[in-house]
Amino acid sequence: AQRVTQPEKLLSVFKGAPVELKCNYSYSGSPELFWYVQYSRQRLQLLLRHISRESIKGFTADLNKGETSFHLKKPFAQEEDSAMYYCALSRGGATNKLIFGTGTLLAVQP
Amino acid sequence: NAGVMQNPRHLVRRRGQEARLRCSPMKGHSHVYWYRQLPEEGLKFMVYLQKENIIDESGMPKERFSAEFPKEGPSILRIQQVVRGDSAAYFCASSPDRVMYEQYFGPGTRLTVT
Repeated sequence: AQRVTQPEKLLSVFKGAPVELKCNYSYSGSPELFWYVQYSRQRLQLLLRHISRESIKGFTADLNKGETSFHLKKPFAQEEDSAMYYCALSRGGATNKLIFGTGTLLAVQP
Repeated sequence: NAGVMQNPRHLVRRRGQEARLRCSPMKGHSHVYWYRQLPEEGLKFMVYLQKENIIDESGMPKERFSAEFPKEGPSILRIQQVVRGDSAAYFCASSPDRVMYEQYFGPGTRLTVT
């Protein structure tokens, strides 16, 4: 069965420190991986997807098929990065439903 | 474009009552997904609909839950005879035809069963 694991419920860092939000998945095929973010009082929104290989708001994520991981990284955290981050997997195909991890709350301290 | 709309934002029901959650997708989107988030858990897929069709309902509980997306009007998630365990946040997402991976989420409906 497909599964997404985010081992950290809370990650607290100081402004300017590097950030790595961990995400591991289990899926036997070729998944599509995403990071969604929810800022305080806002709706869930797509941050980035592995296929696009782009950097959004300074965040990057590389799909490592050998380790089945899709960690989200940013070299220098900003206070406005404080939010709930969800890793998600899709098998694509006909339904494209998303399978979410439990989320990690990133708190960036001043 | 106002984005995905959900109403009500908060819904309180007594055990045994019915709950109706509505979702209006973004303009031009014909794909709707419903997810449920229980306390301390991630979002769990429930059902995927296109206009007038249920495509995948593998995440829907077998009883009391139903969903529809009529030709006209919003998508409706209906929960009959609610129980305390149905208390959760219910999120709707929509996607355009050509870019199905890109799901746009609504603000959610928080259902509380007393």
